[in-house]
Amino acid sequence: DVKVTQSSRYLVKRTGEKVFLECVQDMDHENMFWYRQDPGLGLRLIYFSYDVKMKEKGDIPEGYSVSREKKERFSLILESASTNQTSMYLCASSLRVGNNQPQHFGDGTRLSIL
Amino acid sequence: AQTVTQSQPEMSVQEAETVTLSCTYDTSESDYYLFWYKQPPSRQMILVIRQEAYKQQNATENRFSVNFQKAAKSFSLKISDSQLGDAAMYFCGYTPLVFGKGTRLSVIA
Repeated sequence: DVKVTQSSRYLVKRTGEKVFLECVQDMDHENMFWYRQDPGLGLRLIYFSYDVKMKEKGDIPEGYSVSREKKERFSLILESASTNQTSMYLCASSLRVGNNQPQHFGDGTRLSIL
Repeated sequence: AQTVTQSQPEMSVQEAETVTLSCTYDTSESDYYLFWYKQPPSRQMILVIRQEAYKQQNATENRFSVNFQKAAKSFSLKISDSQLGDAAMYFCGYTPLVFGKGTRLSVIA
């Protein structure tokens, strides 16, 4: 079975901290994605990557960065956390670039910034 | 702009009845596929059904089926014989990266 694992289900951090959200997939997928999910706004794409060391900005990249040093791992970094980054974060992966491959999602990380 | 619109933020259905969730989209892509994901309270997004845009025949997965109207850019989801386990947020979208804002479905016993 396809497996996307996010390191934490719940995380509480303080304003100004540097926060790392980790995501690992075991399916040898080329594509990986980070979304944030907020009530009434659906899923919004933050960043995605289609290969190791490659990254592309999504719709809302401000305040975030990403790292993909290995194919199976895609990290989301909040450089200096702010309260408006309190949200649910979802990681996903899919097989190769193309328009016909479904995304497989992790369980999400609910991040609270105090 | 590439957008997906789910016009029903919330819906409810009686157990064993049928419900249809609406979705419209706008894209300039010629090759894409459409999908519905389900997100139960457990939070994991689960692919319910997908449809290749070039296929005329509507996709079906057990109790779930779609009504795909390409010219109208409409992609509704029909759930037949609704079950309590169908209660969830449902997201419509198309590849590669565009989701709607979701419809929360409640199932009434």
